Amino acid sequence: GIQVEQSPPDLILQEGANSTLRCNFSDSVNNLQWFHQNPWGQLINLFYIPSGTKQNGRLSATTVATERYSLLYISSSQTTDSGVYFCAVGPPGTYKYIFGTGTRLKVLA
Amino acid sequence: NAGVTQTPKFQVLKTGQSMTLQCAQDMNHNSMYWYRQDPGMGLRLIYYSASEGTTDKGEVPNGYNVSRLNKREFSLRLESAAPSQTSVYFCASSEMAGASGYTFGSGTRLTVV
Repeated sequence: GIQVEQSPPDLILQEGANSTLRCNFSDSVNNLQWFHQNPWGQLINLFYIPSGTKQNGRLSATTVATERYSLLYISSSQTTDSGVYFCAVGPPGTYKYIFGTGTRLKVLA
Repeated sequence: NAGVTQTPKFQVLKTGQSMTLQCAQDMNHNSMYWYRQDPGMGLRLIYYSASEGTTDKGEVPNGYNVSRLNKREFSLRLESAAPSQTSVYFCASSEMAGASGYTFGSGTRLTVV
């Protein structure tokens, strides 16, 4: 089946720094989402982004499906950005998303 | 607030007991999903319902059953709980199966002893 790899697995930043999280997938996908799981366990959808670029405030994402990767950019990070960021991909012909194992981000004040 | 509501938030079961996890959404979404999250393994799909009246197996369906009671509600049943089912369970919904973003509930932390 399709493999989803996220990098880096762990990241520590000072408040105000920028970062780029990467999601690589091993086969074609029709759908892709990014999620943030906060330290209390709540999962929040950040982007539904099967292709192209989207921006929402300090966050933006780019998916290049033909090259099998997606990037999540966090600018001017804040302590509330801490948590785990998951990428999930949906292969063609199925509604089943496959989740990566996440990037754990800690933003220090 | 609009969203996905899961009950209960916490549950401890003895091996062999049964229980039903409830999930309801008020966003008029067509599709609903049940995931489990285990340490270091991301989320894995248990069952999903692409539309009212349909249900399908995900990656890890063994030991579970589901019911799409109506458009709003999607329940997950453990008939005979096992310690391997200790996990955090999340329900999610989306407007269209696979082709729109998910909204997750707050999760149910289940321990089977």
